[in-house]
Amino acid sequence: AQKITQTQPGMFVQEKEAVTLDCTYDTSDQSYGLFWYKQPSSGEMIFLIYQGSYDEQNATEGRYSLNFQKARKSANLVISASQLGDSAMYFCAMRVGFYFGNEKLTFGTGTRLTIIP
Amino acid sequence: EAGVAQSPRYKIIEKRQSVAFWCNPISGHATLYWYQQILGQGPKLLIQFQNNGVVDDSQLPKDRFSAERLKGVDSTLKIQPAKLEDSAVYLCASSSESEGTGELFFGEGSRLTVL
Repeated sequence: AQKITQTQPGMFVQEKEAVTLDCTYDTSDQSYGLFWYKQPSSGEMIFLIYQGSYDEQNATEGRYSLNFQKARKSANLVISASQLGDSAMYFCAMRVGFYFGNEKLTFGTGTRLTIIP
Repeated sequence: EAGVAQSPRYKIIEKRQSVAFWCNPISGHATLYWYQQILGQGPKLLIQFQNNGVVDDSQLPKDRFSAERLKGVDSTLKIQPAKLEDSAVYLCASSSESEGTGELFFGEGSRLTVL
């Protein structure tokens, strides 16, 4: 069975500072993908970044980067130069296997990030 | 490109009543999911369709929940009879193996309150 653990229920960060959101995962599969989603108060889930288990480089998307440490089974999200609009819930999720129709994700419990002006 | 559409956005019912949620995925997406998100928790998969067939419904409480995806496009999730613990946001998502990383695209969700 797959499991995602997010140990930070809430974080407060000063605007313009960098923030790291922790995520550890557990799977016996060799092929898997890790995702981060943002959920603002409006409720929609917004895809941020993806890391494949065989990707050698850490993924980056604008101000988002994923600190992938395979041996430690961690996939932390780093947001640089935080903005007030970054205040939201953040979910780490995992997909195992890569055959068609197996794209379902297992989610962690989330971290609520609040950016302080 | 239009996103995943869901309705209604909000629904309040009393326990033992029934409710139905509708979802229209992104055009061309073969896979459709229903997730349940209870307040303060991460989304939990209820059911996954590929075209109009069920891929995974292992966590769907089948004594009260049902879902269908006729013609492999839009889908309906029904709860009958509702219980207090069914209060949650019901998220619909779709995906396509030919797009990007296969990430899921979510709708805005349907918030259910059971009194």
